[in-house]
Amino acid sequence: GAVVSQHPSWVICKSGTSVKIECRSLDFQATTMFWYRQFPKQSLMLMATSNEGSKATYEQGVEKDKFLINHASLTLSTLTVTSAHPEDSSFYICSGRLGNLGYEQYFGPGTRLTVT
Amino acid sequence: AQKITQTQPGMFVQEKEAVTLDCTYDTSDQSYGLFWYKQPSSGEMIFLIYQGSYDEQNATEGRYSLNFQKARKSANLVISASQLGDSAMYFCAMREGYTGNQFYFGTGTSLTVIP
Repeated sequence: GAVVSQHPSWVICKSGTSVKIECRSLDFQATTMFWYRQFPKQSLMLMATSNEGSKATYEQGVEKDKFLINHASLTLSTLTVTSAHPEDSSFYICSGRLGNLGYEQYFGPGTRLTVT
Repeated sequence: AQKITQTQPGMFVQEKEAVTLDCTYDTSDQSYGLFWYKQPSSGEMIFLIYQGSYDEQNATEGRYSLNFQKARKSANLVISASQLGDSAMYFCAMREGYTGNQFYFGTGTSLTVIP
């Protein structure tokens, strides 16, 4: 099956700093990648959808200036949490979709961010 | 209205028994896809099974089967012969349209398999 990796798997940072999370599709080209956020014991909430070479589409309520998404290539998307605050602490999961007609999303293992 | 509803926050099942996890969905699209994912404590989302809205037969993948009742808009997951490793969170999800990007997730069901 298609494999998606995320790096780092966990990160602790100080309030006010920025953190970059990488999402890579290892054995397929992901035309579209998705970023989700998951709070403890809650469901996944879609933050944004990114297509290679174009600007990300953010869901309502997600600050685009705070959560910068770059989809530089068909195998790499990055999420940068700028000026992180403790309320940004969460589990961030990315997923990739096979081409434009693939019906399935393949999820990365997630990144646990803790802001102190 | 919620797109995906999972009414069982927690379920227990005896090892080797079967268990059904409920999922109902809400959409006016004719074309949609239904998914089940397993999320163990490690956090990774593991794809289990897929059912397309036009698929006439219920999907099966090993010990997993999806009880698809289109008229009732339900897509329950059946796990047969439960194993201890099945203990995890289970999420039902829906994608509207064949090429739609938006996945709607339910709130999840925590399954605990008892030895």
